[in-house]
Amino acid sequence: QKEVEQDPGPLSVPEGAIVSLNCTYSNSAFQYFMWYRQYSRKGPELLMYTYSSGNKEDGRFTAQVDKSSKYISLFIRDSQPSDSATYLCAMSHTTSGTYKYIFGTGTRLKVLA
Amino acid sequence: EAGVTQFPSHSVIEKGQTVTLRCDPISGHDNLYWYRRVMGKEIKFLLHFVKESKQDESGMPNNRFLAERTGGTYSTLKVQPAELEDSGVYFCASSQAIGLSRYEQYFGPGTRLTVT
Repeated sequence: QKEVEQDPGPLSVPEGAIVSLNCTYSNSAFQYFMWYRQYSRKGPELLMYTYSSGNKEDGRFTAQVDKSSKYISLFIRDSQPSDSATYLCAMSHTTSGTYKYIFGTGTRLKVLA
Repeated sequence: EAGVTQFPSHSVIEKGQTVTLRCDPISGHDNLYWYRRVMGKEIKFLLHFVKESKQDESGMPNNRFLAERTGGTYSTLKVQPAELEDSGVYFCASSQAIGLSRYEQYFGPGTRLTVT
């Protein structure tokens, strides 16, 4: 079983829709939860990160962490065609002094104009 | 502020040859990471430098891979000799060394390596 599971999609939504992207994980030691956006042939771009549980909002983006369920979500409000990309979740814990990420496979999102 | 840069953007080599990838982190970032994504798989960690020291190299596949970060600035990742399964996209990332900023990793555009 992978440490981080993410539905690869593709997920197609109409412009203006609310998008929900999710990841589940198995390692309860994870404390840092990241969301990256990756356009085709580009590097991952850091969108948001959350420490431990709770919500974090930044413009049209909201990240949620539910540690009891080992489940994280990224919500995109008023989705735009420019949001079409692959969204990657990544997680880290603090053991051994390294901050390496464990990534999900990514979800491809298409926002249709 | 310049982001993480990687060179080359694409490399095509034959099995058995040597390739060296280079990463220039964001200026002032002591933490430098190498990751790799092979086709159809998730991005996987290779190793982590703090300045010039290897903090964690648990993800390095085998001894054909050699990473260096002389002087604590740019880093190189050498594959020698290359095998077909080494094909993929190699990403470099960097982060600051203070507090929660250590977890804000900024990625470069990647080097696409094709071994034929």
